[in-house]
Amino acid sequence: ETGVTQTPRHLVMGMTNKKSLKCEQHLGHNAMYWYKQSAKKPLELMFVYNFKEQTENNSVPSRFSPECPNSSHLFLHLHTLQPEDSALYLCASISTGTGNNEQFFGPGTRLTVL
Amino acid sequence: AQTVTQSQPEMSVQEAETVTLSCTYDTSESDYYLFWYKQPPSRQMILVIRQEAYKQQNATENRFSVNFQKAAKSFSLKISDSQLGDAAMYFCAYRRDDKIIFGKGTRLHILP
Repeated sequence: ETGVTQTPRHLVMGMTNKKSLKCEQHLGHNAMYWYKQSAKKPLELMFVYNFKEQTENNSVPSRFSPECPNSSHLFLHLHTLQPEDSALYLCASISTGTGNNEQFFGPGTRLTVL
Repeated sequence: AQTVTQSQPEMSVQEAETVTLSCTYDTSESDYYLFWYKQPPSRQMILVIRQEAYKQQNATENRFSVNFQKAAKSFSLKISDSQLGDAAMYFCAYRRDDKIIFGKGTRLHILP
């Protein structure tokens, strides 16, 4: 356990569904990240939030909508996804106050879009 | 823009032997941090080792050590006395502030 939790761990959804992924950390970290990991592109950065402000949006399609209500919680809202969006979605957090701190990763949500 | 390159998509090593995974990066910054992460099959990504760019001494964590060549922008990971539990995907990462860049990873197989 790294202290970063993600729910659900597995999700199957149709292309017309709306669902949300949740990430939570109580490590006192100020920055949180969403990554997409698939076989074709191993680790793609999607979004970065630092002190609840979005600092990075890596040209992610609008069918993915992030939300960061506070520094401990991060959501990824999904709607009208495509089968190619099936992947492992990883959340990570970090304290940027000390430079050598590493990211702590959650276990991921395995998403399958039918 | 910063980039991180891992040129070996897959590698294999005999159990108890030593293996070196390569990583190169590109940056114009002088102050940054480098990491190696391990992602075992169906398990969480965890940190293996870290290196501060301002330190000349190579980091070591038990069987894991790095060869950090700042001028060459190279950051390789050496695993000594390889064990079956070392089988995983290994990612090299560069960090400056909240910007973190990962390489594409190297899948390491341990042969019994």
